Amino acid sequence: QKEVEQDPGPLSVPEGAIVSLNCTYSNSAFQYFMWYRQYSRKGPELLMYTYSSGNKEDGRFTAQVDKSSKYISLFIRDSQPSDSATYLCAMTKTGGGNKLTFGTGTQLKVEL
Amino acid sequence: DTAVSQTPKYLVTQMGNDKSIKCEQNLGHDTMYWYKQDSKKFLKIMFSYNNKELIINETVPNRFSPKSPDKAHLNLHINSLELGDSAVYFCASSPLATSTDTQYFGPGTRLTVL
Repeated sequence: QKEVEQDPGPLSVPEGAIVSLNCTYSNSAFQYFMWYRQYSRKGPELLMYTYSSGNKEDGRFTAQVDKSSKYISLFIRDSQPSDSATYLCAMTKTGGGNKLTFGTGTQLKVEL
Repeated sequence: DTAVSQTPKYLVTQMGNDKSIKCEQNLGHDTMYWYKQDSKKFLKIMFSYNNKELIINETVPNRFSPKSPDKAHLNLHINSLELGDSAVYFCASSPLATSTDTQYFGPGTRLTVL
């Protein structure tokens, strides 16, 4: 069983929809949580980063962390076709040498 | 003004060959990484170097050998290539090796072993 589980999708939504992407993890040593976006044939790029339980908002994106449930989410409001990509959750442990442990990624397609 | 660059972008080779992938970053970062992304898009760390010193070495066959000639470069040499080595290999860098440092990824090298 992987340390970080993520629904692989694919997920297809109409333009303007609210998208919810989720990850669960098993090791409470994970303290820092990120969401990366990866377009086809490109490298991952950091979208959101948070280290405490609660919500963090950046434009149309909201990252949510619930450490007690070991559950993180990314919400995308007013989704656009340009949001079509694979979304990867990732996390690190304190003192782990910045070793990113990734979820398996969720492929999202936003259709016109 | 590419931040993290990799060469080559595509690599097609026969089983048993030896090949190298090169990575360079111009961000002035101290720490560099190699990741492997399999056909199901699962991304897993292989190695990390901080200021030319190996600090993360995951359970990777010893056919894979990273080399960091200086802080801005991290190369990956693979001996005796196997079919299972086919994947996309990503290089990344971060300012330091602390858990909160953002990692910046290169465009990837798509390796196909025939």
